[in-house]
Amino acid sequence: DIVMTQSPDSLAVSLGERATINCKSSQSVLWSSNNKNYLAWYQQKPGQPPKLLIYWASTRASGVPDRFSGSGSGTDFTLSISSLQAEDVAVYYCQHYHGTYTFGQGTKLELK
Amino acid sequence: QVQLQESGPGLVKASGTLSLSCTVSGASISTYYWSWIRQPPGKGLEWIGYMHYSGNTKYNPSLKSRITISEDKSKNQLSLNLSSVTAADTAVYYCARHQWLGELSAFDIWGQGTMVAVSS
Repeated sequence: DIVMTQSPDSLAVSLGERATINCKSSQSVLWSSNNKNYLAWYQQKPGQPPKLLIYWASTRASGVPDRFSGSGSGTDFTLSISSLQAEDVAVYYCQHYHGTYTFGQGTKLELK
Repeated sequence: QVQLQESGPGLVKASGTLSLSCTVSGASISTYYWSWIRQPPGKGLEWIGYMHYSGNTKYNPSLKSRITISEDKSKNQLSLNLSSVTAADTAVYYCARHQWLGELSAFDIWGQGTMVAVSS
C-alpha cells in the first residue's frame, strides 16, 4: 500500500507570509496512461469536515482562493499558501486517490 | 446544492455492530461513488470504503473483514455497518462524494460527520 508522509507535522507562519507543506508518497502516484498525479489536498478546521482544496496535484477546487497552489509530480508534492490569512489556520492533509485513498498524517498550520 | 448528513447511534457497545446512515440530498446516489471516512479524536483521516449503485464496492484492507457498505435507493441513503467494534473504532465518521463519476477521484463533498464512541 502507498504511504503518504507529510512534513512538517506542524508549522507556524506570520500573517502575510508564505506557508509550505510537503507530502511524499512511498510510490509514484503519477499514472502514465493519462499523465495525471492522483494527489489531493484538503483543509480541515476544528469541528468541521475536510474541504477539498487541490486535486490532480495542482488544480484548485471550485471557490478556493488563488493564494493556495499545489505542485509536484511522482512522489513529491507541495501545498503552498502565498500570503497567509487568519482563516487559513487549519490542519492540512494530502491524499492519494488511485485504488486506495490514503491520507497523510496531517500538518497543523498556526499563526506565529 | 448537494448535501450529506450522517446519522446513527452515538454510543455502541464493544463487540457490537456500528450502523450508520448517510442521507444524500441534491443528488442521486445512483450516479456517483460514495465513501466512508473516519477520524479518531485528535487524529488523522482513515478511508473506510466506497460503494457505487452498480454494486461496485471496495474496502480498506485493514477493515475489510468487518465492513459492509450498502445503499437504500428508496431513501437515497448509503449505510455503513462495522462489526466487532472495539475502543479503536471510536471516531467521527464521515460520508463523502467522489468528485467525478468514476471511483478514482478526490472527495469533493463531505457530510458534517457523526461521532461514535465505543463503550466497554
